[in-house]
Amino acid sequence: GQNIDQPTEMTATEGAIVQINCTYQTSGFNGLFWYQQHAGEAPTFLSYNVLDGLEEKGRFSSFLSRSKGYSYLLLKELQMKDSASYLCAVAGRRALTFGSGTRLQVQP
Amino acid sequence: GAGVSQSPSNKVTEKGKDVELRCDPISGHTALYWYRQRLGQGLEFLIYFQGNSAPDKSGLPSDRFSAERTGESVSTLTIQRTQQEDSAVYLCASSLDGSGTEAFFGQGTRLTVV
Repeated sequence: GQNIDQPTEMTATEGAIVQINCTYQTSGFNGLFWYQQHAGEAPTFLSYNVLDGLEEKGRFSSFLSRSKGYSYLLLKELQMKDSASYLCAVAGRRALTFGSGTRLQVQP
Repeated sequence: GAGVSQSPSNKVTEKGKDVELRCDPISGHTALYWYRQRLGQGLEFLIYFQGNSAPDKSGLPSDRFSAERTGESVSTLTIQRTQQEDSAVYLCASSLDGSGTEAFFGQGTRLTVV
């Protein structure tokens, strides 16, 4: 089975940097995804890591350590529109399993 | 189609009735997922279809829930004898080739059981 943990809520200030952590336990690993979900909308893809290390894409970066079962999503130069839920998802042997999500509130 | 399409977008049903939710995945995507999301909660995995393999039904919460997929196209999720706790948004996603490829989500069906 799979177990995915991430903080429930985080608050950060506009212009700052925030790191959202995700730890997981899985039987079979086929990569780790981060999705963004605004209230009332469908999740949208942010990043994918299958090898250890950092993947950078504009203001967003994602890191993976397979040996530690750990990932983080780093958001830089926070904007008000970044207020959303951030979902960590692990691709196992078959299905894609999501954590409960981290609700990020960006304050002025 | 251009994206994953789900219908209906909203469904209100009486407790005890059966409902059928439909998902049209992106053309050519072999993998299809159904998730349930209760208000303020995360995505709860329900079922996964991949090509011609037997579906992974391990997330279905009870025998009132079932799903089918015709080849690599349309899928339907059926909930029999609906209960109030079934009220949620049901999200469908598809990906090109299994769990290690990006999943694209539909806008979901908001089910309300009264």
